[in-house]
Amino acid sequence: QKEVEQNSGPLSVPEGAIASLNCTYSDRGSQSFFWYRQYSGKSPELIMFIYSNGDKEDGRFTAQLNKASQYVSLLIRDSQPSDSATYLCAVRSGGSYIPTFGRGTSLIVHP
Amino acid sequence: EAGVTQSPTHLIKTRGQQVTLRCSPISGHTSVYWYQQALGLGLQFLLWYDEGEERNRGNFPPRFSGRQFPNYSSELNVNALELEDSALYLCASSLEPGDGYTFGSGTRLTVV
Repeated sequence: QKEVEQNSGPLSVPEGAIASLNCTYSDRGSQSFFWYRQYSGKSPELIMFIYSNGDKEDGRFTAQLNKASQYVSLLIRDSQPSDSATYLCAVRSGGSYIPTFGRGTSLIVHP
Repeated sequence: EAGVTQSPTHLIKTRGQQVTLRCSPISGHTSVYWYQQALGLGLQFLLWYDEGEERNRGNFPPRFSGRQFPNYSSELNVNALELEDSALYLCASSLEPGDGYTFGSGTRLTVV
């Protein structure tokens, strides 16, 4: 059973701070890692993907992957109230085209 | 470029009835995926269609079925509706299998 674990939160951070969202996975054969943002009442939106160990930056977002420790993180710099949403981690193994989703972490950015 | 479109937006059905949900992927995307998102539960994978064929199926009973048409649009059918089927049903598409998804806005199904 492939598992993807996320702290449900809520994670509350002040505006302008760095929000750090973490995701651990059980399958060592995992190859592709995705972060989706889901606003309340809306559908998920892909914001980052990472395949290789290390960091990947896109604007205020940085994805960090550590395959040895089996975790992937999403850092949001200069957090804004508009970043308040649930962030879903999805992990895809090499032997499957279908990712396993975590249950998501709720992020609240307060002014 | 139009995104993934789903219809209808909302639906209320009675237990035991049947429902059909529809999805059109992004132009050029041949893979279509269906997910169920029930309250308090994560995204649960239902079905994957690619090039008109069912490629993978999640851990759902056979009363959940679907198909993909030659234009790559897709239908999800749910027979003998149960109260627990109340959820947001999301369709997604990707350019290549295994790529990140673009989700549609979903169909909110309520079974009473």
